Amino acid sequence: QLVVTQSPSASASLGASVKLTCTLSSGHNNYAIAWHQQQPEKGPRYLMKLNSDGSHSKGDGIPDRFSGSSSGTERYLTISSLQSEDEADYYCQTWGAGIHVVFGGGTKLTVL
Amino acid sequence: EVQLVESGGGLVQPGGSLRLSCAASGFTVSTNYMTWIRQAPGKGREWVSVIYSGGSTFYADSVKGRFTISRDNSKNTLYLQMNSLRAEDTAVYYCARGLYESSYYFYYMDVWGKGTTVTVSS
Repeated sequence: QLVVTQSPSASASLGASVKLTCTLSSGHNNYAIAWHQQQPEKGPRYLMKLNSDGSHSKGDGIPDRFSGSSSGTERYLTISSLQSEDEADYYCQTWGAGIHVVFGGGTKLTVL
Repeated sequence: EVQLVESGGGLVQPGGSLRLSCAASGFTVSTNYMTWIRQAPGKGREWVSVIYSGGSTFYADSVKGRFTISRDNSKNTLYLQMNSLRAEDTAVYYCARGLYESSYYFYYMDVWGKGTTVTVSS
């Protein structure tokens, strides 16, 4: 069974970097994911798709401060030079044939 | 501009019905993978239903037999007919477009609406 796990919360200081983690359940280390952002009172926004080998492609207009990487069953979203508008919920999403769409529980990022 | 706008949410009694709409602009609903996703208060995001470009439809077990996804090509609009509503269906409902990445073998949601709120309560 495909399960996607995220830490509920993370925090980092303005101008610093933060690395958010999305963990796929055992046996799913070859699955790609997408990262999505949801700022307060706004709809979700697609950030990037990220493959198991760490290759990634960002959505239109996503700043260079956002990057992705992978290791085994873990998928990462790194945000550098944190800005106040980066304070948001971040969700990872994957897909499997017959499984359809699966989301992690989301990470609430606080910018201090 | 590619955009999705949901409507149709509201307060409904348990056992009642609602139809959600998702109007698309900037692309054609019928040639895309379109999905409904919901988020209940304090809970994570849950996939609800999908309609493929070819017309195949699938549902989460939690809504199977009660919800129906459809589209109107002339209106370029996606729908979710929700019947026999339960308290646990209370959530913000989002529609989203999915794109297939062949090199990654997966669908990812690249366009989202802002959501419409459904509250099931007596």
